Amino acid sequence: AQRVTQPEKLLSVFKGAPVELKCNYSYSGSPELFWYVQYSRQRLQLLLRHISRESIKGFTADLNKGETSFHLKKPFAQEEDSAMYYCALDAGGTSYGKLTFGQGTILTVHP
Amino acid sequence: NAGVTQTPKFQVLKTGQSMTLQCAQDMNHEYMSWYRQDPGMGLRLIHYSVGAGITDQGEVPNGYNVSRSTTEDFPLRLLSAAPSQTSVYFCASSYLPVTSGKAGELFFGEGSRLTVL
Repeated sequence: AQRVTQPEKLLSVFKGAPVELKCNYSYSGSPELFWYVQYSRQRLQLLLRHISRESIKGFTADLNKGETSFHLKKPFAQEEDSAMYYCALDAGGTSYGKLTFGQGTILTVHP
Repeated sequence: NAGVTQTPKFQVLKTGQSMTLQCAQDMNHEYMSWYRQDPGMGLRLIHYSVGAGITDQGEVPNGYNVSRSTTEDFPLRLLSAAPSQTSVYFCASSYLPVTSGKAGELFFGEGSRLTVL
């Protein structure tokens, strides 16, 4: 069975500082990895997926199959980045859509 | 276009009571699912459906029942509420990746906060 681990429950940084939210996964196949974000009083929404290799709101995430990691990074954090972030894995095949989520990391960006 | 709509947003139940959380989507998504969100546990899949008339269990199905009579609706029933079912429940939907071969983006409802006393 697959598993997603986000080791940091809380992460605090100051505005303008770099931020990295860690995500490690365990799965023997080739998963699809996602980052979802939940801003205060908003719905949980997709931030980015590894397959798209894009930067959203300045965030990037690289899938490292050797280290089974998918860390989310942003070089200069902004106060509006404060939110709950979830890393998620889709095992694919007949498990499509059955996302396995990590425990979540609450990011707080201080002014 | 309302997306995914969940009702009620808040509910308090007594142990043993039953209730139904409603979920409706207007995006013609084949796939619908229910998750529960608990502190320190992330989101865990309860039940899911890949189309009308087809449902299956997720990671934590015990104590919950679902049905999918239409593409739009996917209600979650609590048969006999227990304090352990106190949680925030999220309904989500997406297209099935039958043609693209990749996982679809999940669209979430606003959540339903349930307290069982």
